[in-house]
Amino acid sequence: GEDVEQSLFLSVREGDSSVINCTYTDSSSTYLYWYKQEPGAGLQLLTYIFSNMDMKQDQRLTVLLNKKDKHLSLRIADTQTGDSAIYFCAERSYGQNFVFGPGTRLSVLP
Amino acid sequence: NAGVTQTPKFQVLKTGQSMTLQCAQDMNHNSMYWYRQDPGMGLRLIYYSASEGTTDKGEVPNGYNVSRLNKREFSLRLESAAPSQTSVYFCASSPTSENYGYTFGSGTRLTVV
Repeated sequence: GEDVEQSLFLSVREGDSSVINCTYTDSSSTYLYWYKQEPGAGLQLLTYIFSNMDMKQDQRLTVLLNKKDKHLSLRIADTQTGDSAIYFCAERSYGQNFVFGPGTRLSVLP
Repeated sequence: NAGVTQTPKFQVLKTGQSMTLQCAQDMNHNSMYWYRQDPGMGLRLIYYSASEGTTDKGEVPNGYNVSRLNKREFSLRLESAAPSQTSVYFCASSPTSENYGYTFGSGTRLTVV
């Protein structure tokens, strides 16, 4: 079946850029999403990108999609301590349910 | 604007006990979902309801049942809890089953001893 993979941990210094990577297997993925989960909370939709796009920028967030390699990345510019959280990559094909990755725990060091 | 509300937030059960996790949304969403979250495994879909009156199995339905009571409410029942069901459970909703991000509740942390 479909699979979404992410590295489990990432540490960065405050003020640096963070890049969280994700790979997926379903070539028919229509939409790809990034969710953020803060401690003790549910998942919050951060941003999404349609499969016919290469890049999407939203303030400090930049999403890059390489469809050929089935690779998705989330770049957070000027990372702050409030960005410390678990980030989930998810993909969805038309008519199907979401498939979530295992999540990347981002730690921001002062 | 409450969004998706889950109760309880925490629960400890003994093996073999039963309980129902409650979920309600006030956004007039058609579709609702139950996920479990386990360390290093992401979110796995237990059951979902694409619209009022319908329910379908997800990836890991064994040991669970659901009821879509009305458009707002979607409950998850454990008939005979097992330690393997220790997890964090999330309810989510979306306007339809197509192409929208989900709105998640804050979760229920369940421990089965």
